Amino acid sequence: EAGVTQSPTHLIKTRGQQATLRCSPISGHTSVYWYQQALGLGLQFLLWYDEGEERNRGNFPPRFSGRQFPNYSSELNVNALELEDSALYLCASSLGVGGDTQYFGPGTRLTVL
Amino acid sequence: KNQVEQSPQSLIILEGKNCTLQCNYTVSPFSNLRWYKQDTGRGPVSLTIMTFSENTKSNGRYTATLDADTKQSSLHITASQLSDSASYICVVSTGGGNKLTFGTGTQLKVEL
Repeated sequence: EAGVTQSPTHLIKTRGQQATLRCSPISGHTSVYWYQQALGLGLQFLLWYDEGEERNRGNFPPRFSGRQFPNYSSELNVNALELEDSALYLCASSLGVGGDTQYFGPGTRLTVL
Repeated sequence: KNQVEQSPQSLIILEGKNCTLQCNYTVSPFSNLRWYKQDTGRGPVSLTIMTFSENTKSNGRYTATLDADTKQSSLHITASQLSDSASYICVVSTGGGNKLTFGTGTQLKVEL
């Protein structure tokens, strides 16, 4: 069974640009979560999607947004990139809503120059 | 405020030795506690998950303990291997996949 996949592996942008990160959950998982992991910091919750809808978002500005497609894959968009957006962005999926274990993808390393 | 604190921040041990990582939390209400292993540049991988009624759970050379009264957990690694070098993250859930509080992790390095 394939795990959570993310693309691209690395992404280099300049300040003010937009970045789009993609995630495909494990087959059968309907919930997708996005996290930001900046250097030296713990994972910070960004967004949670389930059944195509945004269920909750963390304490991030509106320029962080995303969506979930009918096939449960998800996209994270970061507009007006700032230097401090440089981080590892992790996507996780779980079997629907609840306390199920989240399975993480390998992450996308975003570097903003 | 829900918080998860881990100690030590970093640890270096020799191959074959044992070590114990600590996790203290103030998360409430408590649903479950997980330990994840995160290799450099990779996503975290779940090692163990414990609910309120579980005191200990093992996964190979990894043994996690939970004291719900003192709100403490530990992860014990026996006979360490070079491949154990990673960040170990303690995660506490208040219930629901979006209600997780992550610790900042303990960076473990195993040397020859």
